[in-house]
Amino acid sequence: QQQVKQSPQSLIVQKGGISIINCAYENTAFDYFPWYQQFPGKGPALLIAIRPDVSEKKEGRFTISFNKSAKQFSLHIMDSQPGDSATYFCAAPVRTDKLIFGTGTRLQVFP
Amino acid sequence: KAGVTQTPRYLIKTRGQQVTLSCSPISGHRSVSWYQQTPGQGLQFLFEYFSETQRNKGNFPGRFSGRQFSNSRSEMNVSTLELGDSALYLCASSFGTTSSGELFFGEGSRLTVL
Repeated sequence: QQQVKQSPQSLIVQKGGISIINCAYENTAFDYFPWYQQFPGKGPALLIAIRPDVSEKKEGRFTISFNKSAKQFSLHIMDSQPGDSATYFCAAPVRTDKLIFGTGTRLQVFP
Repeated sequence: KAGVTQTPRYLIKTRGQQVTLSCSPISGHRSVSWYQQTPGQGLQFLFEYFSETQRNKGNFPGRFSGRQFSNSRSEMNVSTLELGDSALYLCASSFGTTSSGELFFGEGSRLTVL
């Protein structure tokens, strides 16, 4: 079923560094691409989302870059902080309007 | 505003049994979707209900079923449990369809099958 490929599976970054997570999707007839953040013991929560009438969206230290022709989008976390340590999921609405999630990236930010 | 509530939070079952999980969405939300979360597999889509109708279904066997009531509350049922069904089951609600806007997740029901 997996139609959204996310990489890397895990990521270790030093405090102040840049974290980059990538996603690729197969087909979609809808234009809404979110990123969710999940802390241990909690459900995922929306972090940032983009509708690809723009190629980039920035909210604070978090930026989504979108490449529609390549069917790829990425999350950039600038000035990564230990509090950003969590699992991140991208998602894409594929085929019959189902929101399909990537397999997740576990980010660890060390001081 | 109360968030999405899932019950029970934890449960242990044995192979062959069945289980029913409950989800109360945020007031006013008409869409409820269910996901299975396992290490390495991420969030696997189970099904989505909108105004009591199943809109979409993932690639899970027929042992997995669900329904939505007129008050938007939803239940999912897994019959003839297998060891591989051990997972965190997450429910999410949204005002519109899942592909068009923010999903609000509950904290999940952690199922262990022995």
